Amino acid sequence: KNQVEQSPQSLIILEGKNCTLQCNYTVSPFSNLRWYKQDTGRGPVSLTIMTFSENTKSNGRYTATLDADTKQSSLHITASQLSDSASYICVVSSASGGSYIPTFGRGTSLIVHP
Amino acid sequence: DTEVTQTPKHLVMGMTNKKSLKCEQHMGHRAMYWYKQKAKKPPELMFVYSYEKLSINESVPSRFSPECPNSSLLNLHLHALQPEDSALYLCASSQVVGRADTDTQYFGPGTRLTVL
Repeated sequence: KNQVEQSPQSLIILEGKNCTLQCNYTVSPFSNLRWYKQDTGRGPVSLTIMTFSENTKSNGRYTATLDADTKQSSLHITASQLSDSASYICVVSSASGGSYIPTFGRGTSLIVHP
Repeated sequence: DTEVTQTPKHLVMGMTNKKSLKCEQHMGHRAMYWYKQKAKKPPELMFVYSYEKLSINESVPSRFSPECPNSSLLNLHLHALQPEDSALYLCASSQVVGRADTDTQYFGPGTRLTVL
């Protein structure tokens, strides 16, 4: 069964600090891995997308890494801001029947305090 | 245009009502998705349409009826819902399987549904 595990479940940091979120997966066949940011009551917004051959990808203060051998990914947030408070969801997709079928992690709830 | 729109934003309905949720995208995507999300939980996949044909139904009760009238529109018809169906309903779209490095699912803002 395809699974995506994220840790920690929740994280509280001070504004300006860095943090790293983890994602482990067992999804086969692997197509891509995405990190989403979801504000409460809103739809998820894509931060990064990586395929099998990519090790790292950045989007502003967000840097994602992927180790396809160990099936692990991380999302590093640099110089956190209050607006970074949100749920961060790791999604791993398989290609099936003309569409990408995602397996969602349960998310990490990040709270940034001033 | 990289936007997926959903209407209405909020919906309150009784258990005997019939209502519909609507989703629209103009990115040329040929795969569209319905998700259900409860508070503090990840989205749960309900249906997938590929080239306007239903390709995946994740054992969703028949009181939820999806419809894809054309490549830009996706509807979810609701009838005889239960209070436990109250949730955020998200629509998403993506390119049909092609280049994995460019694929991403674009999500709409969701419809907040409350069943009384």
